[in-house]
Amino acid sequence: DQQVKQNSPSLSVQEGRISILNCDYTNSMFDYFLWYKKYPAEGPTFLISISSIKDKNEDGRFTVFLNKSAKHLSLHIVPSQPGDSAVYFCAVRDDKIIFGKGTRLHILP
Amino acid sequence: DAMVIQNPRYQVTQFGKPVTLSCSQTLNHNVMYWYQQKSSQAPKLLFHYYDKDFNNEADTPDNFQSRRPNTSFCFLDIRSPGLGDAAMYLCATSRDYTGDYEQYFGPGTRLTVT
Repeated sequence: DQQVKQNSPSLSVQEGRISILNCDYTNSMFDYFLWYKKYPAEGPTFLISISSIKDKNEDGRFTVFLNKSAKHLSLHIVPSQPGDSAVYFCAVRDDKIIFGKGTRLHILP
Repeated sequence: DAMVIQNPRYQVTQFGKPVTLSCSQTLNHNVMYWYQQKSSQAPKLLFHYYDKDFNNEADTPDNFQSRRPNTSFCFLDIRSPGLGDAAMYLCATSRDYTGDYEQYFGPGTRLTVT
């Protein structure tokens, strides 16, 4: 059973527009959430995180929103840039980090 | 500067022939992890070391072993690779295993089993 679900395998967004990547989780006890970004031939790199005591965390063009009642989080990238094309993994921290399957984001020129 | 290094980047082995994957780190982190990632799947934790303490995930097959001879190096040994073991193997490190730690990943080793 997947505890972290990223239901969109891929997403295409026009350059300059907003990219929204979604993630759902199953356990309401999870209290720390992360997003990782992965380019081809590289390992995942940490992007942004949020604790369950917050509902929003912003870092430059990247904002993560947490809706605890819906067990849903989303990553917003605005404005989207060509270098944002990558695979984005949602993850939660339990006794270990549990990853989703990832969403491949394509930024179109 | 490379921080988590994995060698080789691509490894081909024969069915049943033991293979070892290598990971090294320059971060002096206490924790080192091995993940298996199959195509279009989530990275799956196999085991981790906190310093010299080995922690195996309950569903990691016995076919997978690990060694950490010192802080900098960690090895993944697959004793008898099967076709189902073909995957990307990711090594990661973190300073600690509690608190708001961040994991740093290597580029991965893609294993092919023929």
